[in-house]
Amino acid sequence: QKEVEQNSGPLSVPEGAIASLNCTYSDRGSQSFFWYRQYSGKSPELIMSIYSNGDKEDGRFTAQLNKASQYVSLLIRDSQPSDSATYLCAVNRKAAGNKLTFGGGTRVLVKP
Amino acid sequence: NAGVMQNPRHLVRRRGQEARLRCSPMKGHSHVYWYRQLPEEGLKFMVYLQKENIIDESGMPKERFSAEFPKEGPSILRIQQVVRGDSAAYFCASSPRVLAGASYEQYFGPGTRLTVT
Repeated sequence: QKEVEQNSGPLSVPEGAIASLNCTYSDRGSQSFFWYRQYSGKSPELIMSIYSNGDKEDGRFTAQLNKASQYVSLLIRDSQPSDSATYLCAVNRKAAGNKLTFGGGTRVLVKP
Repeated sequence: NAGVMQNPRHLVRRRGQEARLRCSPMKGHSHVYWYRQLPEEGLKFMVYLQKENIIDESGMPKERFSAEFPKEGPSILRIQQVVRGDSAAYFCASSPRVLAGASYEQYFGPGTRLTVT
């Protein structure tokens, strides 16, 4: 079982719709969760961090965390073609110091 | 530009040569992390450093790879006697000072794309 799992996609979303991305993790000791966006050939860009159960909203992005289910998700509202990218879920385990463990990423395609 | 800086952005080396990748953390950050992204693969942690200290090198290959973050100057990831399998994007990230039990956001630099011919 991979430590952090994501559906590789592609997730095809019409412009203006909601994109829903999921991520599961195996270590219950995980304490911090991050979503990064990576355009092709570019570096990861931090878009959301979440540390406690519940929802966290930032603009068109909402992160949701459920530690009991070991599940973190990202919603992108009013999806735009510029949101087309790979979205990486990253997890920090307290026992692992400050290093991040990444999922394989979900490729999102927003179609005009 | 107060972001994480990496150079060179692209590096071509022949098999057997040495590669040196440099990273300057974001202003105010004192912790540096190196990650590698192989073609069509995910990001993998390599090493975590503070000034003059290697905190965690659990992701570093046992041979040919080394990293340092001297008191003055950038962090350097060194790969000796490169092989074709070392071709990848190498990303550096930085975070502010880390308190025990806490976790801080990591911000990535633009990366160095290493090609071994």
